[in-house]
Amino acid sequence: QLQLQESGPGLVKPSETLSLTCSVSGGSISSSTYYWAWIRQPPGKGLEWIGSIYYSGSADYNPSLRSRVTTFVDTSKNQFSLKVSSVTAADTAVYYCARLLWTRLQVRFDIWGQGTMVTVSS
Amino acid sequence: QSVLTQPPSVSAAPGQKVTISCSGSSSNIANNYVSWYQQLPGTAPKVVIYENNKRPSGIPDRFSGSKSGPGLTSATLGITGVQTGDEADYYCGTWDTSLSAVVFGGGTQLTVL
Repeated sequence: QLQLQESGPGLVKPSETLSLTCSVSGGSISSSTYYWAWIRQPPGKGLEWIGSIYYSGSADYNPSLRSRVTTFVDTSKNQFSLKVSSVTAADTAVYYCARLLWTRLQVRFDIWGQGTMVTVSS
Repeated sequence: QSVLTQPPSVSAAPGQKVTISCSGSSSNIANNYVSWYQQLPGTAPKVVIYENNKRPSGIPDRFSGSKSGPGLTSATLGITGVQTGDEADYYCGTWDTSLSAVVFGGGTQLTVL
């Protein structure tokens, strides 16, 4: 059974860089079928796609966040990571990593991590 | 402001049927598959419908999905025989070709009275 687990600091200062890692267990991140994604949810609000990455390193980002977001994949550790630079209070959210099935007509997040709360505050 | 529009809340008595709408456009719902996610309080979302109307294994057939409207720009999640355990937030999601982004609806809170 594939499982995902987010890890990283729960508190980040304004203007600094938020860094999170998602560890994949029970399966390989090098699957040719799936992408790996980050989604966030501000307190009391809806879901927002941040970006997705393939095991090869090819990535796509939400245009609204593209200038501040970078994702990485480490196949040797079966992990992928997220960095969001120049954070503000608006970046405070629960951050989820997820497995993404992405075809020409479909995007489906079929397995999710439990989520990790990140607060931006001085 | 979400690209996909959902009602903020719906309610139903136990055993009744409820539907949740998701309104989009030709750049998203009309030309791409829609998925629906259930988020129980304090938990991560879980897919309950994919490819407009398919259920993952383990999801009861009380859950259904469809597309409708002019140009099929709307999607609907249906739940029959509503149970208290179905109380959750429900989100629709799909790809938006114009934005080149995954888009979600704002979410609908289901209350079972």
